Amino acid sequence: GENVEQHPSTLSVQEGDSAVIKCTYSDSASNYFPWYKQELGKGPQLIIDIRSNVGEKKDQRIAVTLNKTAKHFSLHITETQPEDSAVYFCAASLSNAGKSTFGDGTTLTVKP
Amino acid sequence: DAGVTQSPTHLIKTRGQQVTLRCSPISGHKSVSWYQQVLGQGPQFIFQYYEKEERGRGNFPDRFSARQFPNYSSELNVNALLLGDSALYLCASSLYPGQGLNQPQHFGDGTRLSIL
Repeated sequence: GENVEQHPSTLSVQEGDSAVIKCTYSDSASNYFPWYKQELGKGPQLIIDIRSNVGEKKDQRIAVTLNKTAKHFSLHITETQPEDSAVYFCAASLSNAGKSTFGDGTTLTVKP
Repeated sequence: DAGVTQSPTHLIKTRGQQVTLRCSPISGHKSVSWYQQVLGQGPQFIFQYYEKEERGRGNFPDRFSARQFPNYSSELNVNALLLGDSALYLCASSLYPGQGLNQPQHFGDGTRLSIL
């Protein structure tokens, strides 16, 4: 089955700096890659997603890149703010399946 | 519009007991998936239901079962609880089973299950 590895497990940045989280996946058939933000006591919230026919997608301060050949994808957050502090999860799935395989998360801390 | 709602929010059980967790999807969503999230890890897929039928099952023992009702709400049942079942149980809904056609999964805030 699919296996998703996520790095780093913890990331601390200064407010205003950029943060990058990287994930690799094992199943070349996976074609949908969502990213979730999870705050304490809450469920994961979708923040951005990318499909395998797209190499990059951007939404304001958040961008995701996908390299299908290398089977890795990354989340980029620019101009970080303290409210960006949370646990971020990457996931991989097939577009016709209702399950996602998640990485183990990255705890992002943005210091004011 | 209301998001995915789960009940109860917290639950404490003892080993060997049985538990039922409930999920109401976003209005109009017909697919419900269940995930188990152990502390410090990402969610792990347990089940997916669509139109009251099981459409996918993760690597969990038969002690775990689920069902979906005509109104698309769902229940997750766990029998013979073990200490290792302590986790956050998440429900996610989407319009259809697949992630295609811009149909991402939306998660509820989960049920925190503690086994003593």
